[in-house]
Amino acid sequence: GAVVSQHPSRVICKSGTSVKIECRSLDFQATTMFWYRQFPKKSLMLMATSNEGSKATYEQGVEKDKFLINHASLTLSTLTVTSAHPEDSSFYICSARGQVPTNEKLFFGSGTQLSVL
Amino acid sequence: SQKIEQNSEALNIQEGKTATLTCNYTNYSPAYLQWYRQDPGRGPVFLLLIRENEKEKRKERLKVTFDTTLKQSLFHITASQPADSATYLCALDEGSNYQLIWGAGTKLIIKP
Repeated sequence: GAVVSQHPSRVICKSGTSVKIECRSLDFQATTMFWYRQFPKKSLMLMATSNEGSKATYEQGVEKDKFLINHASLTLSTLTVTSAHPEDSSFYICSARGQVPTNEKLFFGSGTQLSVL
Repeated sequence: SQKIEQNSEALNIQEGKTATLTCNYTNYSPAYLQWYRQDPGRGPVFLLLIRENEKEKRKERLKVTFDTTLKQSLFHITASQPADSATYLCALDEGSNYQLIWGAGTKLIIKP
């Protein structure tokens, strides 16, 4: 099956620093990856769609200069939270669609718990 | 307005019984609906997908139904086990751009 690896699983940082989260598709090529944010007991909130070789598409209300997304290869997308503040503390999850015939399913990384002090 | 709703209250079920979770939606016309399992501090894991022209789908102890008239999907776990305890998310896709719309999930607790 398709495996998506996400690192780090947990990060604690000081306010004002930047944090990079990596998302890799291990055994398949992912032309599109999705970045979500999740608050406790809330639904997944789509932040942006990351497309290999082009600019990410951000959802309304998500600051693209705050959440930088790079999808430089077919197996790697990164999310950088720039100048992080306590309100950015959250659970961030990446996902990728499987390849045909499983392309309707999403395969998720294990998530990154970000805590900004 | 468009909504997708799952029971926000945790569902407590005795081991061995059937657990039934509900997903209701309004003002959507989904091409298909999916169910995922999420454990604490982990990403969701795909379980089942059911299309708009399918009434029922099964996979081992899992069964999903889809009623487009009632705008509802039911997710059943038969012979439930404590290991089935998790949060279950439903997500629907209208088929236009492959973006899923997510419910908030229902926490299921199976008691031994």
